[in-house]
Amino acid sequence: DAGVTQSPTHLIKTRGQHVTLRCSPISGHKSVSWYQQVLGQGPQFIFQYYEKEERGRGNFPDRFSARQFPNYSSELNVNALLLGDSALYLCASSSLAGGSYEQYFGPGTRLTVT
Amino acid sequence: GENVEQHPSTLSVQEGDSAVIKCTYSDSASNYFPWYKQELGKRPQLIIDIRSNVGEKKDQRIAVTLNKTAKHFSLHITETQPEDSAVYFCAASGTASKLTFGTGTRLQVTL
Repeated sequence: DAGVTQSPTHLIKTRGQHVTLRCSPISGHKSVSWYQQVLGQGPQFIFQYYEKEERGRGNFPDRFSARQFPNYSSELNVNALLLGDSALYLCASSSLAGGSYEQYFGPGTRLTVT
Repeated sequence: GENVEQHPSTLSVQEGDSAVIKCTYSDSASNYFPWYKQELGKRPQLIIDIRSNVGEKKDQRIAVTLNKTAKHFSLHITETQPEDSAVYFCAASGTASKLTFGTGTRLQVTL
């Protein structure tokens, strides 16, 4: 039984460019959350989606957007990249919406902005 | 919003000793408190969690305690082993959709 998968594993982009990160949740899970983890810090919440609807948004600028597809996979998009966007982007899968359910993380996408 | 503080930031113990990591939270509505272990270059792994209607939970060498009145919870690891070396994060969640994480504790178990 596959866990949470994310692609790509690593990505190098230049300031001002756009990036799309992808996530597939655990089979049967309908909720996907995105987190940003800067080196040396805990993950910071960006978005949660459940049944294709946004259920929560963290304190991130409008350059960050996301969506969820009918198969419950999700994309995180970041426009106009800044150096400060360099981080590990984690996707977490859970069976239900909200934060009070077990969330299982994928391996992450390491984004480097130069 | 929720704020989670975690202490200590680093912890070094000898193999076989116990390790304790403490967290405090600010939102009295928080009702779910998971702990994650993150090894270098790997994903955070859920190791144990506790809900607000329970005061203590154990799973083999790991236990978590919750004091709702004081708004703090702790992770206890007994009989530590070298493979316990990692960064541990506490988190809290309530009515919001998100987990709010602490700043992490780097645990080093020495031989």
